Amino acid sequence: NFMLTQPHSVSESPGKTVTISCTRSSGSIASNYVQWYQQRPGSAPTTVICDDNQRPSGVPDRFSGSIDSSSNSASLAISGLKTEDEADYYCQSYDSSNWVFGGGTKLTVL
Amino acid sequence: QVQLVQSGAEVKKPGASVKVSCKTSGYTFTGHYIHWVRQAPGQGLEWMGWINPNSGGTNYGGTNSVQNFQGRVTMTRDTSISTVYMELSRLKYDDTAVYFCARGGSGWYQSDYWGQGTLVTVSS
Repeated sequence: NFMLTQPHSVSESPGKTVTISCTRSSGSIASNYVQWYQQRPGSAPTTVICDDNQRPSGVPDRFSGSIDSSSNSASLAISGLKTEDEADYYCQSYDSSNWVFGGGTKLTVL
Repeated sequence: QVQLVQSGAEVKKPGASVKVSCKTSGYTFTGHYIHWVRQAPGQGLEWMGWINPNSGGTNYGGTNSVQNFQGRVTMTRDTSISTVYMELSRLKYDDTAVYFCARGGSGWYQSDYWGQGTLVTVSS
């Protein structure tokens, strides 16, 4: 099995762009799709990116996902930051039959 | 619209069992896997496993499952009422968490809708 490692926290100012990384410990990041979930305090997670870079309907195009095979990592970028983007973000991938979550990143918009 | 509505909060003693329900609506119940994910207070998301509502097949896997809950978790479904259940037995204090059900999306490997969560507190 592999692990997904995320930074514990990131912060940025409103209107700026922030990027959150998710590094896979073994095996290729490109082997299995990566999803990103947003979780606001006291709420259930919601999907902001699926299949590496696809936005579900209703998710603003300020959110984008990508993968980088050279660093074996996935990234979530949020542009034009708003205070409402302040939340925990989790990456998630899978192996043959199991999900794997990253440890989560707390985004502070200040 | 797709909805996953979970049962209410529970308080259980160590060693007891808890059964959480996840009632679905707004889509074909047998067409999407249901995953269970838990979140201990102040911690991250921990995947527990999935059930295929069509076949009833299950997978209670995960990197830490042997230590955490494999052998103690059972997922079942009742197709007549479009509901999935997660039962966790031999409860320990560190099973205190919010338990979420999540619908598999276009593939089992992702999810698109989540239940609201059920707080299970293990306390003597």
